[in-house]
Amino acid sequence: DIQMTQSPSSVSASVGDRVTITCRASQGISSWLAWYQQKPGKVPKLLIYAASSLQSGVPSRFSGSGSGTDFTLTISSLEPEDFATYYCQQATSFPLTFGGGTKVEIK
Amino acid sequence: EVQLVESGGGLVQPGGSLRLSCAASGFTFSRYSMNWVRQAPGKGLEWLSYIRSSGGSIDYADSVKGRFTISRDNAKNSLYLQMNSLRAEDTAVYYCARVGPGTSGYYMDVWGKGTTVTVSS
Repeated sequence: DIQMTQSPSSVSASVGDRVTITCRASQGISSWLAWYQQKPGKVPKLLIYAASSLQSGVPSRFSGSGSGTDFTLTISSLEPEDFATYYCQQATSFPLTFGGGTKVEIK
Repeated sequence: EVQLVESGGGLVQPGGSLRLSCAASGFTFSRYSMNWVRQAPGKGLEWLSYIRSSGGSIDYADSVKGRFTISRDNAKNSLYLQMNSLRAEDTAVYYCARVGPGTSGYYMDVWGKGTTVTVSS
C-alpha cells in the first residue's frame, strides 16, 4: 500500500498569511495526487487534482505542485473561510489512501 | 444539480448488518465510477471500496474485505454498500463519492453528505 504522510499536522496562521502544506508518498505516484478541504461537520471538497489542476470553482489562491513522492498545497493569502482541515490522497492505485490531515487554525 | 444522497445508516449491534444506498442525480450515473469512503468520529478519511462505471471492476480496503460488498444499479442511478459482521470500529460517517472524469486518476469530485453508522450494543 502507498502511505501518504502530511506535514504539519496542524498550523496556526492569520488571515492574509501564505500557508504551505506538504504531502509525501511512500513510493512514486507521478502526478496522481488530489487535495481536499473539509470544514467541521461538512463534506470533503475537492480542491486540486492531478497534483496541480484546480477544480472548477476553487479560488485561485489555492495551488498545488509536485510529482513523484513530494507534493505541496499552497494557500497564497489565507481567507477566513479557509480555516479547515486539508487532506491529500493518492489517486493512482488501490487501496486509495489519504494523508492524516492538516488542520489550519486561526492564530 | 449534481447530487449524491446516502441513506441506510443507523444503530446496529456488533455482528449485525446494514445496507447503505447512494442515490445519484444530475449526471449520467452509468458513466462514472464510484467509491465509498468513511470517517470515524474525530478521525481522517478512509477509502473503503471502488466500483467501475460498468460494475466490472471492484476493489476493497483490507479493513472491510470479506465483510462489505459494493454494488450498483445503473438503471436506478444507485450505489450500494452491504455491510456484514459489523464491528465497533466500523462506527463512522459513510460517504459515497464520484470518481472524477477523465484520466487524472481516482480522485473524487462529488461527495454525498454522508450517512452515520453506529455499531454498539
